[in-house]
Amino acid sequence: DAGITQSPRHKVTETGTPVTLRCHQTENHRYMYWYRQDPGHGLRLIHYSYGVKDTDKGEVSDGYSVSRSKTEDFLLTLESATSSQTSVYFCAISEGSGGYTFGSGTRLTVV
Amino acid sequence: SQQGEEDPQALSIQEGENATMNCSYKTSINNLQWYRQNSGRGLVHLILIRSNEREKHSGRLRVTLDTSKKSSSLLITASRAADTASYFCATDDLTGTASKLTFGTGTRLQVTL
Repeated sequence: DAGITQSPRHKVTETGTPVTLRCHQTENHRYMYWYRQDPGHGLRLIHYSYGVKDTDKGEVSDGYSVSRSKTEDFLLTLESATSSQTSVYFCAISEGSGGYTFGSGTRLTVV
Repeated sequence: SQQGEEDPQALSIQEGENATMNCSYKTSINNLQWYRQNSGRGLVHLILIRSNEREKHSGRLRVTLDTSKKSSSLLITASRAADTASYFCATDDLTGTASKLTFGTGTRLQVTL
């Protein structure tokens, strides 16, 4: 989607390795979010940010950490990847009072 | 945690028919939003309805909200094959330091010619 990009689009990694996913926005929105999407669960919030260096946990934050050192970048790190973290990860941005704009997603497979 | 539950889980209709999807949620909300997701793509925001609104229209979309029943419905009129997608409701609750959407599991809509 325009104004928000995720990288990489696809990744295969081994169990136990650290993985970092990147979300980059050009909209200067204050709020950024990481969701994971799994069959039967819809989208679940992992972490979110409400400003530079201001982050908080979501519903399924265990095993994940985030960082936001610049307005435009929000990084999601899997400290030690497990098979249960195989999923599609979506980043989203928001100005705070309206709809979210989602990225195209990162398909992560942990083998 | 609060979650929107969509009903039905899957819906198959013919082009030109109307499609209605329902969403129920559990606690007080600030607003409720509907999103569309085409296969393998990101979610696209369709419409937002605030807690003090009862009905909202956008093109062929009509959304209703009943806060007393904690439910919402999305009506797509005169459906087209291009409307084939999954549709999600999402609730923005009143807690915390930021807007945080909680999504339901979605309704898969198939529109056939």
